[in-house]
Amino acid sequence: GDSVTQMEGPVTLSEEACLTINCTYTATGYPSLFWYVQYPGEGLQLLLKATKADDKGSNKGFEATYRKETTSFHLEKGSVQVSDSAVYFCALSPNNNNDMRFGAGTRLTVKP
Amino acid sequence: EAGVAQSPRYKIIEKRQSVAFWCNPISGHATLYWYQQILGQGPKLLIQFQNNGVVDDSQLPKDRFSAERLKGVDSTLKIQPAKLEDSAVYLCASSLDRGTQETQYFGPGTRLLVL
Repeated sequence: GDSVTQMEGPVTLSEEACLTINCTYTATGYPSLFWYVQYPGEGLQLLLKATKADDKGSNKGFEATYRKETTSFHLEKGSVQVSDSAVYFCALSPNNNNDMRFGAGTRLTVKP
Repeated sequence: EAGVAQSPRYKIIEKRQSVAFWCNPISGHATLYWYQQILGQGPKLLIQFQNNGVVDDSQLPKDRFSAERLKGVDSTLKIQPAKLEDSAVYLCASSLDRGTQETQYFGPGTRLLVL
């Protein structure tokens, strides 16, 4: 069935370092792709999304491009901050229903 | 705009007991979801409602889990009897409609511990 696989964590970076969290997907058809973030003690929040191939989602300095040829949706940020410390989830929504499939999550810790 | 509300935030019960969780979605959202998030894993969809009808409950363990959304607004999820492996965070989410491009908005979750 449709699924996503994201890189395992935890990831620890220093402030202002570059971030990439890999996410690849398996799907029939053309799913929508999402990145959700969960800050400590809070619920899941949508970070960005892309609904078709070559779309780029962006928010709060984070970007991800929907790449059909490599079935990927990697999350990137050029300069992370301590406040970016959270768990990041890649997810897809199949094109024939709204059954969101989540990856296992990647914990990011940014140190000053 | 108020977000998705859930209660209680935490619950500790013994195995074989029953427990219920409540969710109030964002006003006007037709679609409501219940997810189970086991520690270290991503959320897994249990059931999806469109207004007061069930759209997808294929991953709901129906021998012990039940859910309802009688008036198409609030929803309750019940576990009876609970097992140790039910320890997880139960997340409620809502979206305006069912389209695959719709954003799902999540509540803070209910953390359940079964002893």
